[in-house]
Amino acid sequence: EVQLVESGGDLVQPGGSLRLSCGGSGFIFSSYWMGWVRQAPGKGLEWVANIKTDGSDGYYADSVKGRFTISRDNAKNSLYLQINSLRAEDTAVYYCATYSFLLQSRHFDNWGQGTLVTVSS
Amino acid sequence: DIVMTQTPLSSPVTLGQPASISCRSSQSLVHSNGNTYLSWLQQRPGQPPRLLIYKISNRFSGVPDRFSGSGAGTDFTLKISRVEAEDVGVYYCMQATQFPLTFGEGTKVEIK
Repeated sequence: EVQLVESGGDLVQPGGSLRLSCGGSGFIFSSYWMGWVRQAPGKGLEWVANIKTDGSDGYYADSVKGRFTISRDNAKNSLYLQINSLRAEDTAVYYCATYSFLLQSRHFDNWGQGTLVTVSS
Repeated sequence: DIVMTQTPLSSPVTLGQPASISCRSSQSLVHSNGNTYLSWLQQRPGQPPRLLIYKISNRFSGVPDRFSGSGAGTDFTLKISRVEAEDVGVYYCMQATQFPLTFGEGTKVEIK
């Protein structure tokens, strides 16, 4: 069974930094692209970032480019999101998900339970 | 960026009756490789999203066959043939044809 467990969410002051982690199990982690999707309280889903299987390239939403960095450690089956210069509008539940990137399919197929980031003074 | 527009935003449905959600993209979702990367996700209250349908009409593992997807180009539809109580939640379409990946606003399905 595929499992994704996020951690690292916290209450942070504006301008602060945070590092989110996501541990994967039950699948070959190094074979999957991975991604982060966030959801502000009471709002819809917003894509944040994706990363290739080997970590060589990351893709970002314009709203986070230059402030967020996605990375992974395949030896540890772990995905990370470094979040800097936090703003109130970054307040959200952050989900990690496996991203199927094949000719025949591109979609988020497995999701974690999410970790809450709250930006407030 | 590709804008995804869902209608309706709220859909009260009687148990056992069908439901339909429309999703329209601001530009064609046909990739240069000929594939159309449109998926549907369900988010039950208090739960993370769950993949239902990928590449327009392919049901993901474990998804009941009362869920079906159709469409082409810029217009797509998710249908629930007979709504059950466990189908209550918010449904999102998502395009993965190009970055940035974008979601629709979500359609809330509730029981009348």
